[in-house]
Amino acid sequence: DAKTTQPNSMESNEEEPVHLPCNHSTISGTDYIHWYRQLPSQGPEYVIHGLTSNVNNRMASLAIAEDRKSSTLILHRATLRDAAVYYCILLSNFGNEKLTFGTGTRLTIIP
Amino acid sequence: KAGVTQTPRYLIKTRGQQVTLSCSPISGHRSVSWYQQTPGQGLQFLFEYFSETQRNKGNFPGRFSGRQFSNSRSEMNVSTLELGDSALYLCASSSRVGPYNEQFFGPGTRLTVL
Repeated sequence: DAKTTQPNSMESNEEEPVHLPCNHSTISGTDYIHWYRQLPSQGPEYVIHGLTSNVNNRMASLAIAEDRKSSTLILHRATLRDAAVYYCILLSNFGNEKLTFGTGTRLTIIP
Repeated sequence: KAGVTQTPRYLIKTRGQQVTLSCSPISGHRSVSWYQQTPGQGLQFLFEYFSETQRNKGNFPGRFSGRQFSNSRSEMNVSTLELGDSALYLCASSSRVGPYNEQFFGPGTRLTVL
């Protein structure tokens, strides 16, 4: 399975943008990049996913490098509710896709 | 739409016992996956069912089994419980299979084995 590398923790001030990086240098051409987050005492929550082009949804934006070896999850205006562990995951398109979470990035929002 | 529901939310068992956990997916979702989450190992995939058929299986011993019913509800069973089986067991549902689909997680069942 292709692996991802994320910083263990990050801090951000409330109402400021947050850029969460993820390195996936061994990504294959058919791997989708997914982001999930897990708030305390809750199950993981889908955030966004993409393949090659940058993606936007109501929660966040996903910026994918041209060589696809890295990506950045962008929270445009962090709130206290965004404090969570964020996971960057690769899912392949070969019929054996399954979410394998690494350690993720623990995001702390400072009021 | 109601979200993914899991029952029970908390469970305490002793070593050697068996346990059955239940998951009701979002209405209309036919894919159900199970995960085990522990502080040391993170979140690990157990198995996935789609239309009552197991599609994928993770690297867990045969003591861990599951099934899916015609209404897409799923159960997982752990026999001969060990202390190391203490974990949060999460169920996720999806409308389709494939790496481009989002999964919706339930709140989990916290299993403690004494």
